[in-house]
Amino acid sequence: QKEVEQDPGPLSVPEGAIVSLNCTYSNSAFQYFMWYRQYSRKGPELLMYTYSSGNKEDGRFTAQVDKSSKYISLFIRDSQPSDSATYLCAMSPYSSASKIIFGSGTRLSIRP
Amino acid sequence: DARVTQTPRHKVTEMGQEVTMRCQPILGHNTVFWYRQTMMQGLELLAYFRNRAPLDDSGMPKDRFSAEMPDATLATLKIQPSEPRDSAVYFCASGTGQGIYNEQFFGPGTRLTVL
Repeated sequence: QKEVEQDPGPLSVPEGAIVSLNCTYSNSAFQYFMWYRQYSRKGPELLMYTYSSGNKEDGRFTAQVDKSSKYISLFIRDSQPSDSATYLCAMSPYSSASKIIFGSGTRLSIRP
Repeated sequence: DARVTQTPRHKVTEMGQEVTMRCQPILGHNTVFWYRQTMMQGLELLAYFRNRAPLDDSGMPKDRFSAEMPDATLATLKIQPSEPRDSAVYFCASGTGQGIYNEQFFGPGTRLTVL
C-alpha cells in the first residue's frame, strides 16, 4: 500500500461546478500538506500548503486537512476551463523538502 | 521572464548507455531539486542541493545515478548504465530555500526513454 493514495480520475465536470479533490495517507507523522497543479507537458507548480489540521482559503481554492481521518481535500469553486490539469497532493513530516511524498495525481477536466 | 531550462527535452537511448541531463536554475536561486515522474510511481524527489552542496540524495539509486552542481548555473543528473525502468520524465526545479513552503520553479522536464 502506498503512503499516499489519490484517485487518478479522470474527473470531468461542467464549468462553474465545485470540484473536490482528495488524498488519503497512512503515515501519521505527516504534518505538512501541499497541493500542486500540473498542466500537460509542464512541471508542477505549488498551489497551496497547510500545516497540521484545518482549512486554508486562497481565492477560489480551499485546502482542508483532517488528520484524525488522515484525509486531505482541495476544493475549487466556480471552476474554469483553465483549471483543467492534473492535481497532485504532497505531504511531509518535516518542513524541509526531504521525505516529501507525492500522490499520483488526479486528472481534472472542466467542460465549457 | 526567468525560468528553469533543461536539456535535452527528449532523449531516446539504448539500455547500457550513459545519459546526462542538464539543468540551468533561475539566476539567484541557491536550491536545486531533481525529480522523476512516471505513471506507476508518480513524482519522486531524487536529490536536492543548496549552495551547490548535496543535502539529500536518499531518493536516488546510488549504484547508477549521480547528481552534481559543477557551478551555480549548472546541475547535472547522470545515469550510467541506463536501464528501461529509468524511462521517465526528469524534472529539475530551483528555489531560494529548502523548506517545502519555499516555492520551487520547475523546468519543462527531460523525457527519457530507455529501450
